[in-house]
Amino acid sequence: QQQVKQSPQSLIVQKGGISIINCAYENTAFDYFPWYQQFPGKGPALLIAIRPDVSEKKEGRFTISFNKSAKQFSLHIMDSQPGDSATYFCAASGSNFGNEKLTFGTGTRLTIIP
Amino acid sequence: ETGVTQSPTHLIKTRGQQVTLRCSSQSGHNTVSWYQQALGQGPQFIFQYYREEENGRGNFPPRFSGLQFPNYSSELNVNALELDDSALYLCASSLVGSYEQYFGPGTRLTVT
Repeated sequence: QQQVKQSPQSLIVQKGGISIINCAYENTAFDYFPWYQQFPGKGPALLIAIRPDVSEKKEGRFTISFNKSAKQFSLHIMDSQPGDSATYFCAASGSNFGNEKLTFGTGTRLTIIP
Repeated sequence: ETGVTQSPTHLIKTRGQQVTLRCSSQSGHNTVSWYQQALGQGPQFIFQYYREEENGRGNFPPRFSGLQFPNYSSELNVNALELDDSALYLCASSLVGSYEQYFGPGTRLTVT
């Protein structure tokens, strides 16, 4: 059972544009929602994360928007650059001890074109 | 601060063999989690170790087992390898009580 659904599967954005990736979750026990960036042949790198007590978090060009009632969250990459071309994964986890496993989405392959 | 390291980088095994993968946690982290990432998929949680004991397990059979050592490093052992075990195996370390998990570069296992 896939508990975190991610879309789109792939995304092409022009340099300088806004990249938007969406995720939806089912388990209401989730209360931590990170985004990871993964380059080919590398492990996922933590990019930005949010807790459900806020609706938005911004770090540099990266913003997470969170809608608790809809059980959805999204990643916005402003002023997208070719170096942002990578696969992005949303994830979710609980916070209770022993329930901290990350459940990942299926990934979005982002390509930034000049 | 030292990040998460994993060894070996690549490994080729034959079906039915056994394999051991190793992980060193990021400095100061006391919890280690292992994930399996099949090609083109998101990582899948295998299990987590804290204080040298398994602390949560995903939907993986018992032939996947692990260890955590007093220095918080960890091993993932897989017995009776199957072709479907071919994947990138990722180790992530964290501090208990903290949400953030930091991943190593992974070990690419190919089973032929």
